[in-house]
Amino acid sequence: GAVVSQHPSWVICKSGTSVKIECRSLDFQATTMFWYRQFPKQSLMLMATSNEGSKATYEQGVEKDKFLINHASLTLSTLTVTSAHPEDSSFYICSASAGASTDTQYFGPGTRLTVL
Amino acid sequence: KQEVTQIPAALSVPEGENLVLNCSFTDSAIYNLQWFRQDPGKGLTSLLLIQSSQREQTSGRLNASLDKSSGRSTLYIAASQPGDSATYLCAVETGANSKLTFGKGITLSVRP
Repeated sequence: GAVVSQHPSWVICKSGTSVKIECRSLDFQATTMFWYRQFPKQSLMLMATSNEGSKATYEQGVEKDKFLINHASLTLSTLTVTSAHPEDSSFYICSASAGASTDTQYFGPGTRLTVL
Repeated sequence: KQEVTQIPAALSVPEGENLVLNCSFTDSAIYNLQWFRQDPGKGLTSLLLIQSSQREQTSGRLNASLDKSSGRSTLYIAASQPGDSATYLCAVETGANSKLTFGKGITLSVRP
Protein backbone atom coordinates (compact mmCIF):
# COMPACT_ATOMS: atom_id res chain seq x y z
CA GLY A 1 0.00 0.00 0.00
CA ALA A 2 0.93 3.66 -0.27
CA VAL A 3 3.35 4.82 2.41
CA VAL A 4 3.90 8.34 3.68
CA SER A 5 6.73 9.14 6.04
CA GLN A 6 7.44 12.17 8.21
CA HIS A 7 10.67 13.38 9.66
CA PRO A 8 11.37 14.00 12.42
CA SER A 9 8.88 12.01 14.46
CA TRP A 10 9.36 14.40 17.35
CA VAL A 11 11.24 17.62 17.93
CA ILE A 12 11.84 19.91 20.87
CA CYS A 13 12.98 23.45 20.20
CA LYS A 14 13.44 26.75 21.95
CA SER A 15 10.98 29.58 21.54
CA GLY A 16 11.90 31.82 18.63
CA THR A 17 13.61 29.18 16.54
CA SER A 18 12.34 27.65 13.29
CA VAL A 19 11.57 24.00 12.74
CA LYS A 20 11.23 22.14 9.46
CA ILE A 21 9.11 19.02 9.12
CA GLU A 22 9.37 16.79 6.05
CA CYS A 23 6.62 14.71 4.50
CA ARG A 24 7.52 12.14 1.87
CA SER A 25 5.49 9.79 -0.26
CA LEU A 26 7.68 6.71 -0.53
CA ASP A 27 6.11 4.63 -3.27
CA PHE A 28 3.88 6.98 -5.23
CA GLN A 29 3.88 10.44 -6.65
CA ALA A 30 1.83 12.84 -4.59
CA THR A 31 0.27 15.58 -6.64
CA THR A 32 -1.38 17.01 -3.56
CA MET A 33 -0.23 17.06 0.04
CA PHE A 34 -2.11 18.23 3.08
CA TRP A 35 -0.90 19.48 6.44
CA TYR A 36 -2.97 19.04 9.58
CA ARG A 37 -2.53 20.05 13.19
CA GLN A 38 -3.97 18.11 16.10
CA PHE A 39 -4.16 19.37 19.66
CA PRO A 40 -4.70 16.87 22.52
CA LYS A 41 -8.21 15.41 22.54
CA GLN A 42 -9.10 17.48 19.49
CA SER A 43 -9.80 16.65 15.88
CA LEU A 44 -7.34 17.12 13.06
CA MET A 45 -7.58 20.61 11.65
CA LEU A 46 -6.52 21.18 8.07
CA MET A 47 -3.88 23.89 7.87
CA ALA A 48 -3.10 24.01 4.18
CA THR A 49 -3.23 22.16 0.90
CA SER A 50 -0.23 22.11 -1.39
CA ASN A 51 0.06 21.07 -5.01
CA GLU A 52 3.43 20.25 -6.49
CA GLY A 53 5.05 23.28 -8.03
CA SER A 54 2.51 25.83 -6.89
CA LYS A 55 1.81 27.90 -3.80
CA ALA A 56 -0.02 26.31 -0.91
CA THR A 57 -3.62 27.18 -0.15
CA TYR A 58 -4.03 28.03 3.52
CA GLU A 59 -7.17 27.58 5.58
CA GLN A 60 -8.76 30.57 7.22
CA GLY A 61 -6.93 31.60 10.36
CA VAL A 62 -3.63 29.92 9.46
CA GLU A 63 -0.76 32.38 9.10
CA LYS A 64 1.04 31.67 5.85
CA ASP A 65 4.12 33.61 6.93
CA LYS A 66 4.42 31.56 10.08
CA PHE A 67 3.76 28.15 8.56
CA LEU A 68 5.78 27.99 5.36
CA ILE A 69 4.92 25.14 3.07
CA ASN A 70 7.00 24.01 0.12
CA HIS A 71 6.03 21.23 -2.27
CA ALA A 72 8.99 21.23 -4.59
CA SER A 73 8.70 17.68 -5.89
CA LEU A 74 6.07 14.98 -6.32
CA THR A 75 7.40 13.09 -3.32
CA LEU A 76 8.32 15.79 -0.82
CA SER A 77 6.56 18.58 1.01
CA THR A 78 7.98 20.54 3.91
CA LEU A 79 6.34 22.56 6.65
CA THR A 80 8.50 25.14 8.39
CA VAL A 81 7.22 26.62 11.63
CA THR A 82 8.97 29.96 11.83
CA SER A 83 9.71 31.73 15.11
CA ALA A 84 8.01 28.98 17.03
CA HIS A 85 6.24 29.73 20.30
CA PRO A 86 4.89 27.39 23.00
CA GLU A 87 1.37 27.72 21.58
CA ASP A 88 2.65 26.12 18.36
CA SER A 89 3.32 22.91 20.29
CA SER A 90 1.13 20.31 18.66
CA PHE A 91 1.01 17.11 16.63
CA TYR A 92 1.49 17.85 12.94
CA ILE A 93 0.31 15.25 10.44
CA CYS A 94 0.67 15.29 6.68
CA SER A 95 -1.22 13.33 4.08
CA ALA A 96 -0.65 12.76 0.41
CA SER A 97 -2.93 12.12 -2.52
CA ALA A 98 -1.85 10.71 -5.86
CA GLY A 99 -4.00 12.83 -8.06
CA ALA A 100 -7.63 13.66 -8.59
CA SER A 101 -9.60 15.65 -6.07
CA THR A 102 -11.38 12.56 -4.80
CA ASP A 103 -8.30 10.37 -4.52
CA THR A 104 -7.61 8.66 -1.21
CA GLN A 105 -5.36 10.50 1.21
CA TYR A 106 -2.56 8.50 2.81
CA PHE A 107 -1.45 9.79 6.17
CA GLY A 108 1.99 10.09 7.65
CA PRO A 109 2.82 9.01 11.21
CA GLY A 110 2.88 12.57 12.51
CA THR A 111 5.47 14.83 14.13
CA ARG A 112 5.22 15.90 17.75
CA LEU A 113 6.51 19.47 18.15
CA THR A 114 7.25 20.83 21.61
CA VAL A 115 8.33 24.45 21.89
CA LEU A 116 9.92 25.38 25.20
CA LYS B 1 -19.52 24.96 7.20
CA GLN B 2 -19.28 21.22 7.66
CA GLU B 3 -19.17 19.98 11.25
CA VAL B 4 -18.55 16.41 12.32
CA THR B 5 -19.60 15.17 15.74
CA GLN B 6 -18.66 11.97 17.50
CA ILE B 7 -20.34 11.13 20.78
CA PRO B 8 -19.38 9.86 23.31
CA ALA B 9 -15.77 11.01 23.51
CA ALA B 10 -14.74 7.81 25.28
CA LEU B 11 -16.08 4.30 25.62
CA SER B 12 -14.99 1.33 27.71
CA VAL B 13 -16.30 -2.17 27.02
CA PRO B 14 -15.42 -5.73 28.05
CA GLU B 15 -13.68 -7.95 25.57
CA GLY B 16 -15.99 -9.82 23.21
CA GLU B 17 -18.71 -7.21 23.13
CA ASN B 18 -20.15 -5.97 19.84
CA LEU B 19 -20.20 -2.20 19.71
CA VAL B 20 -21.32 0.70 17.59
CA LEU B 21 -19.53 4.02 17.20
CA ASN B 22 -21.56 6.93 15.92
CA CYS B 23 -20.67 9.87 13.70
CA SER B 24 -22.89 12.70 12.51
CA PHE B 25 -22.26 15.50 10.04
CA THR B 26 -24.17 18.67 9.27
CA ASP B 27 -23.82 19.00 5.49
CA SER B 28 -25.09 15.98 3.58
CA ALA B 29 -23.36 17.05 0.34
CA ILE B 30 -20.35 14.81 0.84
CA TYR B 31 -18.18 12.87 -1.57
CA ASN B 32 -17.33 10.17 0.93
CA LEU B 33 -16.97 9.33 4.59
CA GLN B 34 -13.99 7.60 6.10
CA TRP B 35 -13.28 5.93 9.41
CA PHE B 36 -9.74 6.02 10.77
CA ARG B 37 -7.94 4.47 13.69
CA GLN B 38 -5.33 6.42 15.63
CA ASP B 39 -3.12 4.86 18.27
CA PRO B 40 -1.63 7.18 20.94
CA GLY B 41 1.02 9.47 19.49
CA LYS B 42 0.68 7.93 16.06
CA GLY B 43 -0.70 8.84 12.67
CA LEU B 44 -3.94 7.67 11.11
CA THR B 45 -4.78 4.30 9.65
CA SER B 46 -7.68 4.23 7.24
CA LEU B 47 -10.19 1.53 8.16
CA LEU B 48 -13.09 1.96 5.79
CA LEU B 49 -14.12 4.46 3.13
CA ILE B 50 -17.72 4.76 2.00
CA GLN B 51 -18.47 6.64 -1.18
CA SER B 52 -21.53 8.89 -1.15
CA SER B 53 -23.38 6.45 -3.41
CA GLN B 54 -22.76 3.51 -1.09
CA ARG B 55 -24.63 2.44 2.02
CA GLU B 56 -21.98 0.36 3.76
CA GLN B 57 -18.53 -1.15 3.64
CA THR B 58 -17.14 -4.17 5.45
CA SER B 59 -13.65 -5.25 6.37
CA GLY B 60 -13.20 -8.22 8.65
CA ARG B 61 -14.89 -7.49 11.97
CA LEU B 62 -15.64 -3.92 10.95
CA ASN B 63 -18.74 -2.68 9.20
CA ALA B 64 -19.43 0.96 8.44
CA SER B 65 -22.77 2.30 7.28
CA LEU B 66 -23.70 5.63 5.79
CA ASP B 67 -27.03 7.42 5.75
CA LYS B 68 -26.19 10.54 3.83
CA SER B 69 -29.64 12.10 3.96
CA SER B 70 -29.73 12.04 7.75
CA GLY B 71 -26.04 12.91 8.10
CA ARG B 72 -25.08 9.81 10.04
CA SER B 73 -22.60 6.99 9.93
CA THR B 74 -21.92 4.11 12.26
CA LEU B 75 -18.89 1.90 12.70
CA TYR B 76 -19.79 -1.54 13.98
CA ILE B 77 -17.06 -3.59 15.63
CA ALA B 78 -17.86 -7.25 16.17
CA ALA B 79 -16.37 -9.32 18.98
CA SER B 80 -14.16 -6.55 20.28
CA GLN B 81 -10.60 -7.34 21.38
CA PRO B 82 -8.10 -5.47 23.59
CA GLY B 83 -6.10 -4.76 20.44
CA ASP B 84 -9.03 -2.69 19.18
CA SER B 85 -8.30 -0.12 21.88
CA ALA B 86 -7.54 3.16 20.07
CA THR B 87 -9.16 6.39 19.02
CA TYR B 88 -11.56 6.11 16.10
CA LEU B 89 -11.97 9.16 13.92
CA CYS B 90 -14.68 9.86 11.41
CA ALA B 91 -14.00 12.24 8.52
CA VAL B 92 -16.07 13.48 5.59
CA GLU B 93 -14.83 14.79 2.31
CA THR B 94 -16.73 17.75 0.93
CA GLY B 95 -16.06 20.21 -1.84
CA ALA B 96 -13.14 20.23 -4.18
CA ASN B 97 -9.50 19.51 -3.36
CA SER B 98 -10.23 16.47 -1.19
CA LYS B 99 -10.72 18.50 1.98
CA LEU B 100 -11.46 16.30 4.96
CA THR B 101 -13.36 17.46 8.02
CA PHE B 102 -12.68 15.34 11.07
CA GLY B 103 -14.61 14.62 14.22
CA LYS B 104 -12.81 14.68 17.57
CA GLY B 105 -12.79 10.92 17.74
CA ILE B 106 -14.00 8.28 20.16
CA THR B 107 -11.39 6.75 22.43
CA LEU B 108 -12.22 3.08 22.83
CA SER B 109 -10.88 0.90 25.58
CA VAL B 110 -11.54 -2.83 25.42
CA ARG B 111 -10.96 -4.49 28.80
CA PRO B 112 -9.55 -8.04 28.83
